[in-house]
Amino acid sequence: DAGVTQSPTHLIKTRGQQVTLRCSPKSGHDTVSWYQQALGQGPQFIFQYYEEEERQRGNFPDRFSGHQFPNYSSELNVNALLLGDSALYLCASSLGHEFGSGANVLTFGAGSRLTVL
Amino acid sequence: AQKITQTQPGMFVQEKEAVTLDCTYDTSDPSYGLFWYKQPSSGEMIFLIYQGSYDQQNATEGRYSLNFQKARKSANLVISASQLGDSAMYFCAMSPGSSGYSTLTFGKGTMLLVSP
Repeated sequence: DAGVTQSPTHLIKTRGQQVTLRCSPKSGHDTVSWYQQALGQGPQFIFQYYEEEERQRGNFPDRFSGHQFPNYSSELNVNALLLGDSALYLCASSLGHEFGSGANVLTFGAGSRLTVL
Repeated sequence: AQKITQTQPGMFVQEKEAVTLDCTYDTSDPSYGLFWYKQPSSGEMIFLIYQGSYDQQNATEGRYSLNFQKARKSANLVISASQLGDSAMYFCAMSPGSSGYSTLTFGKGTMLLVSP
């Protein structure tokens, strides 16, 4: 059973550029969430997609945008990159309708490590 | 707003000993979930254990148990019989019950090192 897969695993960009990160959810999952983890910090919630719509958003600027496709895979786009955007970007998948049961555990991928120079 | 506090930046334990990782939380939601995740150097967050705010008994999953003290707003992780492979970052996290969405607020983590 394939888990959450993310690509690319590592990438280097320069300030002002744009980046697209990709995520395929665990088989059977329909909800994708994105988290940013700066060095030495815990992950911070960026946004969540369900039924191809952004369902909830954390405290991140509009430079961060996303998309979910009919096959439930997702992309995270970041425009006008800043040095502070350097981080590990984690994708997590879950089942959108099972919250509160204890079974709605997020399954994370290994992340995409972005370095902005 | 929800907040998770992990006050131990690092912990050391010898193999086969038990270790407790501290976690306190703050929320105004009457219903919430508490989670512990393990993050090895590979980066992937691995789910360990879950406790619902209305669960009467402390959660256990193999060598992991969650010491849930609701009045003190603490959710400490206890790892029994530590193994070398337990060396990793450990994150406490919580999810809101009122919104119905599975978003997590994480603490800053505790680095656990297990020595032979």
